[in-house]
Amino acid sequence: SQQGEEDPQALSIQEGENATMNCSYKTSINNLQWYRQNSGRGLVHLILIRSNEREKHSGRLRVTLDTSKKSSSLLITASRAADTASYFCATEVGTTSGTYKYIFGTGTRLKVLA
Amino acid sequence: ETGVTQTPRHLVMGMTNKKSLKCEQHLGHNAMYWYKQSAKKPLELMFVYNFKEQTENNSVPSRFSPECPNSSHLFLHLHTLQPEDSALYLCASSRGSQEETQYFGPGTRLLVL
Repeated sequence: SQQGEEDPQALSIQEGENATMNCSYKTSINNLQWYRQNSGRGLVHLILIRSNEREKHSGRLRVTLDTSKKSSSLLITASRAADTASYFCATEVGTTSGTYKYIFGTGTRLKVLA
Repeated sequence: ETGVTQTPRHLVMGMTNKKSLKCEQHLGHNAMYWYKQSAKKPLELMFVYNFKEQTENNSVPSRFSPECPNSSHLFLHLHTLQPEDSALYLCASSRGSQEETQYFGPGTRLLVL
């Protein structure tokens, strides 16, 4: 598996339902971010969770982080048709040059049906 | 709008052409990034610039040549590309290169014939 791997690859739900997406990674991380991408557009930052945090909320979004299992989940409550997009996790890792970079997963394509 | 613009939005080029992608950020950020997004593959980091200095080259072929004249502008010069280079090229910026939210541009959709 890759450093950032989302599960499921695709998810289709009815408006009003909750959507849960998972991200697994392999190496130790400093923090993990979730991004959203509408079709053919750039990514938009949703939330950042640090390695010493376990849960974070932002509006209808709830993110959890389990560093022992090297996994994170993104929960979108009371989904809306406008939430239809691809969702990516990105893990921050150190580089050999002493800097940092983010590694993105393949994403979960969410479709919310009206 | 995220404050990061990219031009052109769409580009079709032949394998012998030379073209450039431009990215500009209006956020006062110090770090800028080029990513490549291909269908069904993870977003691939290509280059990172921090305070105009290149800090990361993710084993990108030399037919891609980045240029960062100042902290607000980033270019990606393209020459003798291959059809497999067709992808969405995304530019992003952040205040610094560590633990920072990245702000993405809308991307340039590139098709190499």
